[in-house]
Amino acid sequence: EVQLLESGGGLVQPGGSLRLSCAASGFTFSNSAMRWVRQAPGKGLEWVSAISDSGGNTYYADSVRGRFTISRDNSKNTLYLQLNSLRAEDTAIYYCAKVSGYRFDYWGQGTLVTVSS
Amino acid sequence: QSALTQPRSVSGSPGQSVTISCTGTSSAVGYYDYVSWYQQHPGKAPKLMIYDVTKRPSGVPDRFSGSKSGNTASLTISGLQAEDEADYYCCSYAGSYTWVFGGGTKVTVL
Repeated sequence: EVQLLESGGGLVQPGGSLRLSCAASGFTFSNSAMRWVRQAPGKGLEWVSAISDSGGNTYYADSVRGRFTISRDNSKNTLYLQLNSLRAEDTAIYYCAKVSGYRFDYWGQGTLVTVSS
Repeated sequence: QSALTQPRSVSGSPGQSVTISCTGTSSAVGYYDYVSWYQQHPGKAPKLMIYDVTKRPSGVPDRFSGSKSGNTASLTISGLQAEDEADYYCCSYAGSYTWVFGGGTKVTVL
């Protein structure tokens, strides 16, 4: 059974940093591209970042490029998202998602990031 | 990376059919056959319902179907059931390893 478990969310002040983690199990993590998607409170889904199966290629939405960094450790079956220079508008639930083809076939339960003073 | 356009809400009685539209651009929905649809119940993670415009993952009822015409994709739920009440999001590959979601549609079963 595929499982994705996010952690690392919390309350942070504007300008601060957080590192989110996503522990994966139930599939061959090193063969799967992965994504981060976020959802602001009461709002829709927004694609944030993508990483290839090897970690050698990374991609970002314009809204986070230069502030967020996606990475992975295939030896630990874990995906990461480093969030820097956080803004109020980054407040959201952050989901990690496994990719198959061009679809997000499995999602974690999410971790809440709140940016507020 | 402009969001895809979906109606904010649709509703239907049990047993009826409802269709949710998802309008994009010629560089997203219109160019690629990589539209997917996700169902999200309150407080839950999204669930894949349709991918590559028309394909259904195993376990998704065949009441759910997808289609596309030009820059608009659609999700149809036939034989609406109470458990189908949820938010639905479309998503399209937009090229250069970027994806764009719709704003979401709330489906209400009357």
